[in-house]
Amino acid sequence: KQEVTQIPAALSVPEGENLVLNCSFTDSAIYNLQWFRQDPGKGLTSLLLIQSSQREQTSGRLNASLDKSSGRSTLYIAASQPGDSATYLCAVETSGSRLTFGEGTQLTVNP
Amino acid sequence: EAGVVQSPRYKIIEKKQPVAFWCNPISGHNTLYWYLQNLGQGPELLIRYENEEAVDDSQLPKDRFSAERLKGVDSTLKIQPAELGDSAVYLCASSLVASNEQFFGPGTRLTVL
Repeated sequence: KQEVTQIPAALSVPEGENLVLNCSFTDSAIYNLQWFRQDPGKGLTSLLLIQSSQREQTSGRLNASLDKSSGRSTLYIAASQPGDSATYLCAVETSGSRLTFGEGTQLTVNP
Repeated sequence: EAGVVQSPRYKIIEKKQPVAFWCNPISGHNTLYWYLQNLGQGPELLIRYENEEAVDDSQLPKDRFSAERLKGVDSTLKIQPAELGDSAVYLCASSLVASNEQFFGPGTRLTVL
C-alpha cells in the first residue's frame, strides 16, 4: 500500500526566505506526482504536476523535483511571501488513477 | 472557464439523518472523483467515475454511502444514515481523462451532531 509522508508538518519563516518542502513515498511505481495548495476552508489548487518520466517542473517562484527511484520529491519556494501561507499537499498517482495524499505541510510566512 | 462547483458549501445535520452533496465538474472532463478529507489529513478517494461508470468504488462504505453520475456530467454523493464520524469535508474533483491533472472544487463541510 502506497504511503506518502510530508516533512515538516509545519513551517514558519520570515518573508523573503527560500524554503523547501519534502515529500516521500514508499512505492516508486507511480504515474505522476502532484503538489497542491490548500487555503483554510477551501479546496485544493494544483500547483505542479510531474510525470514519472520527468525530473522537475517549474512555475514562477515554485520548482518541484522528483526522484522516483528514491521515492522523494521536493517543492522549492523562492523569495517567500505572506500570500504563500497555506497548507501544501503532495500526492502520488498509482495504478487505477488513484491519488494518495500526504498529510501536508502547514506553511506560515511572516511579514 | 468555471471550475468545479459544489453545493452546499456547509451542512449541519443530526445523526441518522440523510444528506446529499452535489458536484458539477469542469465542462468536458470525463473523470470525476469524490474525496473525503478529515481535519489535518490529506484527502482520501471514495469513488471515481469515468463518464457515468463508477470504475473505482472500493473505498466507498456502501452500507451507508451511495453515489451517482447520471449522463456522465453532474454527480451526487449521498449518506444515509449519517453518523458522527462522517463529519468531514467532502471534495469533488475532475480531470479531462484519468491519469491527468485533477482540479478540485471548494468542498462541502459536513457536521453531524
